Amino acid sequence: NAGVTQTPKFQVLKTGQSMTLQCAQDMNHNSMYWYRQDPGMGLRLIYYSASEGTTDKGEVPNGYNVSRLNKREFSLRLESAAPSQTSVYFCASERASGKLANEQFFGPGTRLTVL
Amino acid sequence: QKEVEQNSGPLSVPEGAIASLNCTYSDRGSQSFFWYRQYSGKSPELIMFIYSNGDKEDGRFTAQLNKASQYVSLLIRDSQPSDSATYLCAVKSEGGGTSYGKLTFGQGTILTVHP
Repeated sequence: NAGVTQTPKFQVLKTGQSMTLQCAQDMNHNSMYWYRQDPGMGLRLIYYSASEGTTDKGEVPNGYNVSRLNKREFSLRLESAAPSQTSVYFCASERASGKLANEQFFGPGTRLTVL
Repeated sequence: QKEVEQNSGPLSVPEGAIASLNCTYSDRGSQSFFWYRQYSGKSPELIMFIYSNGDKEDGRFTAQLNKASQYVSLLIRDSQPSDSATYLCAVKSEGGGTSYGKLTFGQGTILTVHP
């Protein structure tokens, strides 16, 4: 099992360009998440999908859109990249969201630089 | 006020010592608490979770939870240089509304274990 995979690993964009970050999991998990990590700020939730067919905003959704393509795949799109979106992006999956103390499994991350 | 606060680092301990990492949270209704370890340039990986007051031990790691005081800690006994990493505290929200079931991360504490 590959767990959670993300592509690309690195990306450099110019201000105003668009791109889509891809995420896939092979653990048959229901819930998937997109986080960004900036120095000294821990992980902040951008969007999440509690189950196939649903998506909701997290703490910092502005400038992003998501698509839960199927149970395995959850993509994050930047329509018009800005330097403030320079960050490391992590995708995570979880068996089911809610009260259960479920573990979230993280992908390897995408390092994005916006010039 | 941040919802999840970790003791400011970096924390440096000698090999063989006990490393103590602390975390406080503001949502009194939170029920599940997680400690993740993140090596430089890598993704977070779960070390332990705890949801009952008291101590939970796993090898050299002990998580401690005190819901009345709203803090959770992680003790690492017999610290090794390989324990050098950033440690992230995460709290699963049990509150109503849009935050239900989602993890909120602290900013992380950098631990260095020197030989």
